[in-house]
Amino acid sequence: AQSVSQHNHHVILSEAASLELGCNYSYGGTVNLFWYVQYPGQHLQLLLKYFSGDPLVKGIKGFEAEFIKSKFSFNLRKPSVQWSDTAEYFCAVRGNQAGTALIFGKGTTLSVSS
Amino acid sequence: DSGVTQTPKHLITATGQRVTLRCSPRSGDLSVYWYQQSLDQGLQFLIHYYNGEERAKGNILERFSAQQFPDLHSELNLSSLELGDSALYFCASSVFGQGDTIYFGEGSWLTVV
Repeated sequence: AQSVSQHNHHVILSEAASLELGCNYSYGGTVNLFWYVQYPGQHLQLLLKYFSGDPLVKGIKGFEAEFIKSKFSFNLRKPSVQWSDTAEYFCAVRGNQAGTALIFGKGTTLSVSS
Repeated sequence: DSGVTQTPKHLITATGQRVTLRCSPRSGDLSVYWYQQSLDQGLQFLIHYYNGEERAKGNILERFSAQQFPDLHSELNLSSLELGDSALYFCASSVFGQGDTIYFGEGSWLTVV
């Protein structure tokens, strides 16, 4: 069955600390991978995406993620977090055929203290 | 602003009632997706429509139905509501093509009392 697993339910960091959120997926076939962020009271916003090519992708707000095909992983990283990064982060996967729906992980809540 | 518009933003209704949530996709997007977000289930895919036709079903209850109209807006109908249906319902849209990105609306908060 298709699934996405996010290892950390809640991460608490101080400002300037480095961040890595784990994401593993189970999906047959070629995949597209995404990280979305949901700030408190807001809708889901796309942070970054991987379709093909360079497995290290850079997104908005200094975030990046690395696709490791052999490990079925797509971990999100940021070298130095800010208080404004406090939000919920969702990893998602879909097949690369047109129109396939996103399958989401349960999400990771990131709390950054100033 | 993603360009996906959802109404209403908030809705409170009683058990057993029926509600309709509305979604206008981004200009030019032919695909509409509905998702349910709740604390215990997370983000669950409900249903996908493309250009008026149902393309895929996820974890959608039989009490729920959706449609996409010729002008491409979509409606999600929730009937015989139960307390457990209280959730945030997201609509999302995409162009429909290999490698397209899915953009989400701000969601409709449904509270069933």
